[in-house]
Amino acid sequence: TQLLEQSPQFLSIQEGENLTVYCNSSSVFSSLQWYRQEPGEGPVLLVTVVTGGEVKKLKRLTFQFGDARKDSSLHITAAQPGDTGLYLCAGIKNNAGNMLTFGGGTRLMVKP
Amino acid sequence: NAGVMQNPRHLVRRRGQEARLRCSPMKGHSHVYWYRQLPEEGLKFMVYLQKENIIDESGMPKERFSAEFPKEGPSILRIQQVVRGDSAAYFCASSLTGRPNYGYTFGSGTRLTVV
Repeated sequence: TQLLEQSPQFLSIQEGENLTVYCNSSSVFSSLQWYRQEPGEGPVLLVTVVTGGEVKKLKRLTFQFGDARKDSSLHITAAQPGDTGLYLCAGIKNNAGNMLTFGGGTRLMVKP
Repeated sequence: NAGVMQNPRHLVRRRGQEARLRCSPMKGHSHVYWYRQLPEEGLKFMVYLQKENIIDESGMPKERFSAEFPKEGPSILRIQQVVRGDSAAYFCASSLTGRPNYGYTFGSGTRLTVV
């Protein structure tokens, strides 16, 4: 069982559509990060959210950290084929030192 | 190139052989982390090292796996007597501060295939 559950696991949409990816846990995290990973490469950090209720925007991507710091969401507006990839959330627990706990990932495909 | 360098990118080993994976952190980074990723899954923490010290190895199997980060040279993840279940992508990340709040930089990984 994953400590961080991501949904959906797979998502295939048409260019121009909006989508939301969820990252849920029963545990509290001191902060949470979102990464994007392309085939054959390592994850690349997109954002870190620290404060409960925090919202961060990165162009067409909007990240939100839940008030209780147990969940997060990533919303993409007007998806483009270049958004295709594996999106991973990763949490940092207060008492877990330097370890990141990753969710299972959401594989997004945006068709032109 | 100031990124995290991992080599080899691809490694094929027969069952029972040893696999040695190397990671050179970003310049100036003294904190190194190893993660393993099975197909279609997220990354699982294995070990966290600073120069010449293992800080946290709670995610690393007790047998056959070892890691080091010597004073000079890259960090090495060693897997002895590999089995098919060791087939995975192994990622190394480095950080400046040792605090993941500031983000890790990941390498491109080593894809190990055990045949």
